[in-house]
Amino acid sequence: KAGVTQTPRYLIKTRGQQVTLSCSPISGHRSVSWYQQTPGQGLQFLFEYFSETQRNKGNFPGRFSGRQFSNSRSEMNVSTLELGDSALYLCASRPVSDEQFFGPGTRLTVL
Amino acid sequence: TQLLEQSPQFLSIQEGENLTVYCNSSSVFSSLQWYRQEPGEGPVLLVTVVTGGEVKKLKRLTFQFGDARKDSSLHITAAQPGDTGLYLCAGGWNTGNQFYFGTGTSLTVIP
Repeated sequence: KAGVTQTPRYLIKTRGQQVTLSCSPISGHRSVSWYQQTPGQGLQFLFEYFSETQRNKGNFPGRFSGRQFSNSRSEMNVSTLELGDSALYLCASRPVSDEQFFGPGTRLTVL
Repeated sequence: TQLLEQSPQFLSIQEGENLTVYCNSSSVFSSLQWYRQEPGEGPVLLVTVVTGGEVKKLKRLTFQFGDARKDSSLHITAAQPGDTGLYLCAGGWNTGNQFYFGTGTSLTVIP
C-alpha cells in the first residue's frame, strides 16, 4: 500500500506570495491533518479534515487555510507569506484508529 | 508555552549505552504516542499507551505511561546508531481528534 505523498517536496517563495501544498493520503484514510514543524516551535497542529469538512483547527492565523476533496486528497494554502512561515509542513492521514501516518513533508523557504 | 515538555532536548551517547527520554505535562491525556523522525522524513509512530501505569516494550525500547497519565518515558537499552533521530511524544484526548506534540529530543548514537 502506498504511503502518504506530499508535493512539492521543496519550495522557495518570497514574502507576500501565496503557496499551495498538496497531500495524498493512504488509500481508504478519510482523515487528513496538517502540521507545521520549525526548530523553535516544534510540531504544531494546523487543522484536520474529515470527509471534506474541517473537523479541528489549531491556533494559526487566517492566512493558513485548507480543503479536502471527495477523494480525500487535501491541499493547504498560505497567503501573504511571511519569513516566519518558513518550515517543514507535514501531512498525516489516519484511518479510524488514532495512528497517524505522516508524509515526508514539504520544506517551504520564504525569502 | 508548550503543553508537553521533553527532556533532554539533545542527547549524544556512545553505541551500547542506555538512555531515558522524558515527556512531561500538567495536563491529563487519554492517550500518549511516541514517534521517531529521521532527517528528511515525517515522524513514524512507535507506540501508543492509553492506561495509567502501562508499560510497553518494542525490542530494545521500553515505554511507560505515568500513573496519572500526565507523563511518559522512553528507555532505550544498548543504543545503536540506527536509533539516531528525533523522538517526539504526542498527547491526545478521547473528546477530540487533535494530538499535541512535545518539544522533541534529538538523539545521536555514536558508533
